[in-house]
Amino acid sequence: QSVLTQPPSVSGAPGQRVTISCTGSSSNIGAGYDTHWYQQLPGTVPKLLIYGNTNRPSGVPDRFSGSKSGASASLAITGLQAEDEGDYYCQSFDGSLSVVVFGGGTKLTVL
Amino acid sequence: QITVKESGPTLVKPTQTLTLTCTFSGFSLITSGVGVGWIRQPPGKALEWLALIYWDDSKRYSPSLKSRLTITKDTSKNQVVLTMTNMDPVDTATYFCALKPVAGSFDYWGQGTLVTVSS
Repeated sequence: QSVLTQPPSVSGAPGQRVTISCTGSSSNIGAGYDTHWYQQLPGTVPKLLIYGNTNRPSGVPDRFSGSKSGASASLAITGLQAEDEGDYYCQSFDGSLSVVVFGGGTKLTVL
Repeated sequence: QITVKESGPTLVKPTQTLTLTCTFSGFSLITSGVGVGWIRQPPGKALEWLALIYWDDSKRYSPSLKSRLTITKDTSKNQVVLTMTNMDPVDTATYFCALKPVAGSFDYWGQGTLVTVSS
């Protein structure tokens, strides 16, 4: 069971907007530690998608955006495309244990 | 250009010790705030963080695996080594090395190495 909770799956039609939640606690996201998001397309290595809650690395389309509120973070994807289909993971730091924590991952299906 | 590559055995027997090496370039593990981590992913399952070593040689381990893990670095060789003792078939996974610049994210990942635990 992951310290950060993500929905197992989300889906949307091409062009639509979807959001993926990442729920933590007062010892990680709620304590002010940043949330980062990774995209893992089928058969590929995880790729950093969002860092520091809201920042996109160079080359990541602005269709992807991150937000944070309290002990939760969210990843929003607008203008869904077929190539967005894959797994998405959130990651943060847990201050009470001084460890890195990942969410359990969310499988995005583009209908 | 930053590169990251994992190396090590593809097959280990139960109870054996796994030793994996992460070799990187274009990245300095002597810069304040940076770190190198190991993450694994069993087939069809989620990412699981294992260990992290910082520029100052401080180390962090997954609480559930702490007794079995050791992470070390050799800054002269730009390498980080992870050892995991008492391997079990449930440890079969792709093991990734990832670089953490000053911020908390893993910005650069190796291709991963699939380790199978079987007799």
